[in-house]
Amino acid sequence: QKEVEQNSGPLSVPEGAIASLNCTYSDRGSQSFFWYRQYSGKSPELIMSIYSNGDKEDGRFTAQLNKASQYVSLLIRDSQPSDSATYLCALRGSSASKIIFGSGTRLSIRP
Amino acid sequence: GAVVSQHPSRVICKSGTSVKIECRSLDFQATTMFWYRQFPKQSLMLMATSNEGSKATYEQGVEKDKFLINHASLTLSTLTVTSAHPEDSSFYICSARDRGASSTDTQYFGPGTRLTVL
Repeated sequence: QKEVEQNSGPLSVPEGAIASLNCTYSDRGSQSFFWYRQYSGKSPELIMSIYSNGDKEDGRFTAQLNKASQYVSLLIRDSQPSDSATYLCALRGSSASKIIFGSGTRLSIRP
Repeated sequence: GAVVSQHPSRVICKSGTSVKIECRSLDFQATTMFWYRQFPKQSLMLMATSNEGSKATYEQGVEKDKFLINHASLTLSTLTVTSAHPEDSSFYICSARDRGASSTDTQYFGPGTRLTVL
C-alpha cells in the first residue's frame, strides 16, 4: 500500500461548482497534512495545511481531516478555470522529518 | 512569503557531462533544504535532505556519488548531477525550511530546474 494515495483523475468539474479532492494515507501516526497545487511545468505551491481532525477553511478552500479513517480531503468552492491544475496531497509521517507526496489528482474546470 | 530561487531554470547538456543546480533562500535562513525529482506525470520523489554544514542524507536508491549535494551556507544548497545520462532528464525541485518559522513544517519550494540530457 502506498503511503499516500490519490486518484490520478482527471477530475472534471463545471465552473462555479464544488471540486472535491480526496486522499488516504497509511501511517496512522502522521500528524501534519498538506495540499499543494502544481501547474504544468511549475513547482508546487502550498494551499493548505491541517493538523487536527475537522475542517479548516481558507477562502474558497476547505481542508478536511479524519485521522480515524486516515482520510484527508480538499474542497474548492466556486471553482474557476484557474483552479485547473494537479493537486498533491502530502504528509509528514510519524517517524520522519520529510514530507511524503501523493501522486496527485489532475483537476480540470470546464467553463 | 519566503522566496526560494533556483538556477538555472532550464539546462540541456550532453551525456557524460556534469550539471550544477543552485538553490537559494532569498529572504530567510534555511537550516534544511530538500531536493526532489519529478518525472512527467509522476509525483515528487525526495532525493535527499541537506543540512547546513553537514553531509546530506540520501533516500534509498539515490546514488550519493552521482548526485552530489553541498549545503555550505544557510542560504545556498547545490545539487551536482555527475556524468549525466538521458535517464537523469527530469524536473529537479528544491525546497527550504525556514529556520525562523514558528512551525517546522514551513517549507518553501523553488521554481524548479528542467534538466535534459542528450
